[in-house]
Amino acid sequence: EVQLVESGGGLVQPGGSLRLSCAASGFTFSSYSMNWVRQAPGKGLEWVSYISSSSSTIYYADSVKGRFTISRDNAKNSLYLQMNSLRAEDTAVYYCARVYTIGHYFDYWGQGTLVTVSS
Amino acid sequence: SYVLTQPPSVSVAPGKTARITCGGNNIGSKSVHWYQQKPGQAPVLVIYYDSDRPSGIPERFSGSNSGNTATLTISRVEAGDEADYYCQVWDSSTVVFGGGTKLTVL
Repeated sequence: EVQLVESGGGLVQPGGSLRLSCAASGFTFSSYSMNWVRQAPGKGLEWVSYISSSSSTIYYADSVKGRFTISRDNAKNSLYLQMNSLRAEDTAVYYCARVYTIGHYFDYWGQGTLVTVSS
Repeated sequence: SYVLTQPPSVSVAPGKTARITCGGNNIGSKSVHWYQQKPGQAPVLVIYYDSDRPSGIPERFSGSNSGNTATLTISRVEAGDEADYYCQVWDSSTVVFGGGTKLTVL
């Protein structure tokens, strides 16, 4: 059974940093690209970042470019999101989601981890 | 940047057909994927590549895509279909989601 479990969310002050993790199981993690998608309270889905299976290709949404860094460790079946210079508007539930490659659909999602940026 | 436009809400009586649209410039040339999200839950894929259904998704869910509009159709709507629905495409190196449509079953 495919499982994606996010962790690392919490309360952080504006300008602070946080590192999210996504633990994957039930599939060959190194064969799939991964994404982070977020959802602000009461709002819609917003794509954050994409990383290919080998980490050779990485994309970011303009809203996080230069502040967030996506990475993965295929040996540990884990996906990460390093978030720096956090702003109030980054407050959201952050989901990791699996995609085979660019252009494909997100077939599995984690349950999400809440990040709250507030003083 | 590419924009996907969905109606904020759609209401339908049980047993009837719901149609949720997703508008975008020449969206018919792109592959559209649809997700269902119930309160407090993660999104679930319900339609991929315009009209394909993942295993476990009822045949009542179907999709189409042509011109400037993609459509998710839910036939014989049930109370359990009440949820938010999002369309999604890839635009070059970015992922675009529609704003979401809240389906209310009357």
